[in-house]
Amino acid sequence: GENVEQHPSTLSVQEGDSAVIKCTYSDSASNYFPWYKQELGKRPQLIIDIRSNVGEKKDQRIAVTLNKTAKHFSLHITETQPEDSAVYFCAASSGNTPLVFGKGTRLSVIA
Amino acid sequence: GAGVSQSPSNKVTEKGKDVELRCDPISGHTALYWYRQSLGQGLEFLIYFQGNSAPDKSGLPSDRFSAERTGGSVSTLTIQRTQQEDSAVYLCASSSGQGAFNEQFFGPGTRLTVL
Repeated sequence: GENVEQHPSTLSVQEGDSAVIKCTYSDSASNYFPWYKQELGKRPQLIIDIRSNVGEKKDQRIAVTLNKTAKHFSLHITETQPEDSAVYFCAASSGNTPLVFGKGTRLSVIA
Repeated sequence: GAGVSQSPSNKVTEKGKDVELRCDPISGHTALYWYRQSLGQGLEFLIYFQGNSAPDKSGLPSDRFSAERTGGSVSTLTIQRTQQEDSAVYLCASSSGQGAFNEQFFGPGTRLTVL
């Protein structure tokens, strides 16, 4: 089955700097890669997703890139703000199978 | 509209007891998922219901875990003979449509503590 590895487990950045979180997956059949954000004490929420027919997707300060050959995808957050502090989870699926999540990255944005 | 709700929000039980956790999905959502989130861990898939299809139980860790979804709406996750390692936050999510491509909307979770 699918296995998703996520790095780093914790990340601290200065406000205004960029943050990058990387994930790798094992199943070449996976074609859907969402990212969820979980603020402290709150429920996870989808922030961006990408399908395998594109290599990059942007939404304001966040972007996701996908390298199908290498089986890895990354979340990029630019101009980080304190409200970006949260745990971020990547996930992968073939569409017909349940999402397999990474273990999460705790991002701290230091003002 | 109302989001996904779960009850209870917290449950403390003694080892060996059975517990039932409830999930009310968003009205009209045909897909319902249960996940377990242990401290410092990701979201571990447990079970997936889609419409009237047979559930995908491939994530259930042991036969002590079971779930039902009655009438295509409310779901109950049951853990029998609880063990300390069952302590975690149990999250429910629902989505419209079939398959993982649809955004999952999560509930607030039930924090289970097994003493």
